[in-house]
Amino acid sequence: DIQMTQSPSTLSASVGDRVIITCRASQSISRWLAWYQQKPGKAPKLLIYKASTLQSGVPSRFSGSGSGTEFTLTISSLQPDDFATYHCQHYSNYMFSFGQGTRLDI
Amino acid sequence: QITLKESGPTLVKPTQTLTLTCTFSGFTLSTTGVAVGWIRQPPGKALEWIALFSWDDNKRYSPSLKSRVTITKDTSETQVVLTMTNVDPVDTATYYCARVVVPATGAFDFWGQGILVTVSS
Repeated sequence: DIQMTQSPSTLSASVGDRVIITCRASQSISRWLAWYQQKPGKAPKLLIYKASTLQSGVPSRFSGSGSGTEFTLTISSLQPDDFATYHCQHYSNYMFSFGQGTRLDI
Repeated sequence: QITLKESGPTLVKPTQTLTLTCTFSGFTLSTTGVAVGWIRQPPGKALEWIALFSWDDNKRYSPSLKSRVTITKDTSETQVVLTMTNVDPVDTATYYCARVVVPATGAFDFWGQGILVTVSS
């Protein structure tokens, strides 16, 4: 099984900050990596797929990069609505795995 | 408009079998690449993928849950059913169903609201 490890687990930041969240895979996964945002009591929302493709309707301050085993989600200028938990997810041959999540706090 | 909604019991006893239904609209499971998956999230914990049913009737399961879960498609073709046997309190979680298009995105683009299932005697 491919393990996905996110860092940090918790991140404190302020409005306007640039934030980077990292997701590492236990082996190379090419660019099969997605990022989600989740707010308390709500379902996750897809932000980015295939490592860097922005899902329709997602603000351009969100961006993704990476390939192989190391990936990043960058929020260029934090907005109040961005304080949430972020998850990475890997896909391979009809199988999926998630990271443990990164909580972004004020 | 694509929607998904989970339904089923919110309280089950240990050792019982849990059956959850995902009712969806706005897409069909007969479209190439379309699949519906189940994902769960214990309170305060990470998301965990459980199972997938795809357009070609292919079924995939998480290795850690494979022995206890079954995913099927209802004859209505608008529902996907997850069955989990011999549940335990550690199976207490919010269970989500979601759509994915493989391999176009490999990501779950539409989600249900989730259903909190508590396993307790």
